[in-house]
Order: sequence, then structure tokens, then C-alpha cells
Amino acid sequence: KNQVEQSPQSLIILEGKNCTLQCNYTVSPFSNLRWYKQDTGRGPVSLTIMTFSENTKSNGRYTATLDADTKQSSLHITASQLSDSASYICVVSGAKAAGNKLTFGGGTRVLVKP
Amino acid sequence: NAGVTQTPKFQVLKTGQSMTLQCAQDMNHEYMSWYRQDPGMGLRLIHYSVGAGITDQGEVPNGYNVSRSTTEDFPLRLLSAAPSQTSVYFCASRVQGATTEAFFGQGTRLTVV
Repeated sequence: KNQVEQSPQSLIILEGKNCTLQCNYTVSPFSNLRWYKQDTGRGPVSLTIMTFSENTKSNGRYTATLDADTKQSSLHITASQLSDSASYICVVSGAKAAGNKLTFGGGTRVLVKP
Repeated sequence: NAGVTQTPKFQVLKTGQSMTLQCAQDMNHEYMSWYRQDPGMGLRLIHYSVGAGITDQGEVPNGYNVSRSTTEDFPLRLLSAAPSQTSVYFCASRVQGATTEAFFGQGTRLTVV
């Protein structure tokens, strides 16, 4: 069964500090991996999309890495801000043969404190 | 562009009632989908559509119907609401393709009592 597991489930960090979120997946066949940010009461918003040939991709203070061999990804947040408080969701897209369907992880809830 | 618009934002239903969650997008996206989000779980696909007139079931379709008469609209119908359908529902749209970005609506929080 296709699965996406994220860790930790939640974390608290001080404003200005860095943090790293982890994602492991078993989706096959694999097309791409996405990270989304979801603010409370809002829909997810895309941060990055990476194909199997991309090892790293940045979007401002967010940097995602992908190791397609070990089926692991991470999202690094640099110099956190209060506005980074949100849930971060790892999403894996299956290949075209699987309808490019998206499998969602349960998310990591990040709270940034002043 | 308004993006993906969902209505209503909140809804309370009694068990057995029916209702339709509305979803509209103005980006001319072929692919539209409905998800439900429950605490501690990832979003799960209910139904999806790859174009007007074409719909298919996702991971958790039971108790829900969809139709796609136009490119813009993709309503989700609850036939006979049950407490197990208490959830937050998200509609999403994107251009067909493997790496295209998915845009989500703001969600509908549904409570069935």
C-alpha cells in the first residue's frame, strides 16, 4: 500500500532558529514529491515540487531535499519566523500509469514561539 | 483570478440529511478533485475528474457523489449524511500533468450530528 510517513508529528521552535522535518514514502511508481504549507483553517499551499532527478529545491527560507533511492525527503526551515507556524505536509505523486494520484502524509505541526 | 472557491465554509447537518458542497475554479484546469481531512490523517481522495463529463472514484468514495458538467464546477453531494462524514473537505484543481501544482480551496468544515 502506498504510504507517506512524516516525523515528528509536532515541534516547537524559537523564532530565528532552524528546523528540519522528515518524510519517508513507499509510493511506487514514483513521479514527484511535494511539500505543502497549511495554515490553520486554510487549504494547503505548495512550497516545492521535486522529481526523482532533483536532490534539492529551495523556496525562500524553505529548502527541500530528496533521496529517491532511500525514498526519503526533508524540509529545512531556516531562520524561522512566527508566520512559519503551520502544518507542513509531504505529498507524493504516483506515476502517470497510476493516474498521477497524490498520497498525503499526516503532516508535521510547527509552532514558532517568540 | 479567484482560484478555487468552496462554499459553504461551515455546515452542520443532521444524520440522514443530504447536501451539496460547491467547488468552482476559474483557472481552466482539467483536473479537479475532492479530499477529506481528518485529525492525524493525511488528506484522502474521495472523487476526482480529469475533464468535463468524466469522473472517477478515489480512496474513500462511499456515501458521496460527484458530477462534472462544466470545466469550472465540481460539486460533491452527500446522499445521506452520517456522523462518520464529519470532516474538513477540500477541493483542488490543477492542469493535467505529473508535476503541475495543485491549488486548494479554503475548505468546508462539516459536522454531522
